[in-house]
Amino acid sequence: GAVVSQHPSRVICKSGTSVKIECRSLDFQATTMFWYRQFPKQSLMLMATSNEGSKATYEQGVEKDKFLINHASLTLSTLTVTSAHPEDSSFYICSAPTGGGYNEQFFGPGTRLTVL
Amino acid sequence: KQEVTQIPAALSVPEGENLVLNCSFTDSAIYNLQWFRQDPGKGLTSLLLIQSSQREQTSGRLNASLDKSSGRSTLYIAASQPGDSATYLCAVNDYKLSFGAGTTVTVRA
Repeated sequence: GAVVSQHPSRVICKSGTSVKIECRSLDFQATTMFWYRQFPKQSLMLMATSNEGSKATYEQGVEKDKFLINHASLTLSTLTVTSAHPEDSSFYICSAPTGGGYNEQFFGPGTRLTVL
Repeated sequence: KQEVTQIPAALSVPEGENLVLNCSFTDSAIYNLQWFRQDPGKGLTSLLLIQSSQREQTSGRLNASLDKSSGRSTLYIAASQPGDSATYLCAVNDYKLSFGAGTTVTVRA
């Protein structure tokens, strides 16, 4: 299957700082990528759809100014958690479909964010 | 809004037993359905993808069925092994994926 990477895998930061998480499709191009967050023992919740060359589409209840998404190229999307607070601590996972949103989606290994 | 339910929430079986995991969804207007495996603290591994026009998909010991009209999918894992212990998630795709809460499987040696 296709490979999606995320960096970093784990990050610990102080409250008030910003954290950038990268999502890369390694062996295919992705015009669309998706960002999810997962709380302990819960399922994945879609945060936003990242679109190459245009603005991201955010799900209801997700703060656009808090979670900045940039899809700079066909293989890279970044999620920046701005002014992070302890309640932002979570597991963030990205996915990318091969050939568009209706196709099989491949997930990155996830990033564990801990805000102190 | 699509609602996805997985039953049971947890399952513990002895090695060698067959596993049956259930997934139901409320809106049948889907493009496909995917089954994933997630190990603790890890990302998701895609197991099977069933297109909306298909009724079944097989890969090795895994078999997934889809009944779109009734909003149900079932994942069968034959001859379970301790290495099958993980959380299994189903997700329906109507352009965006909607996930169930998962079934946590423990296979006892």
